[in-house]
Amino acid sequence: EDQVTQSPEALRLQEGESSSLNCSYTVSGLRGLFWYRQDPGKGPEFLFTLYSAGEEKEKERLKATLTKKESFLHITAPKPEDSATYLCAVQVLTGRRALTFGSGTRLQVQP
Amino acid sequence: NAGVTQTPKFRILKIGQSMTLQCTQDMNHNYMYWYRQDPGMGLKLIYYSVGAGITDKGEVPNGYNVSRSTTEDFPLRLELAAPSQTSVYFCASSYLDRTNQPQHFGDGTRLSIL
Repeated sequence: EDQVTQSPEALRLQEGESSSLNCSYTVSGLRGLFWYRQDPGKGPEFLFTLYSAGEEKEKERLKATLTKKESFLHITAPKPEDSATYLCAVQVLTGRRALTFGSGTRLQVQP
Repeated sequence: NAGVTQTPKFRILKIGQSMTLQCTQDMNHNYMYWYRQDPGMGLKLIYYSVGAGITDKGEVPNGYNVSRSTTEDFPLRLELAAPSQTSVYFCASSYLDRTNQPQHFGDGTRLSIL
């Protein structure tokens, strides 16, 4: 069974305090790993897709990396507007193209 | 560009009532999905569709039905609502090609069964 585990469940940072969110996964075969951002009362908003171990992608203060067992979302010098829940999801090689999601990390960045 | 639009945004139902959650997308995506999100949990797949006229069950299909008569629309039907169906429901769509296009989500329908 495909599984995705995110840690920590919640993270509180001071503005400018860099940190990383973890996403561990167990799948039969990985087609892609996705990171989404979700604001309260909104749907998930796409951030990144990673396909293979060693791949990295960046967008503003966010950088996502991938190994064979986990992915990290690094947040450099965060701002209060980075506060949100960050969701990790995997898509497997076979069968339907649906995503298996982790339960998310709630990030709060205080000024 | 509207993207994925879900209606209604909020709804309260009584146990045993039925309703249809509406989802429409204007991106000409062939794949569409319904997920539910319970507090503190990840999204779980209810049903999905690979194109008009083709639907299939996901992880948690019991108590729900879907249809896909057009590319744009993918309604989710709840029959005989139960308290366990209290959740936030998200519709998503994506385009299937050789690249791995991401899914685009609507803003959800918040449903309470009392």
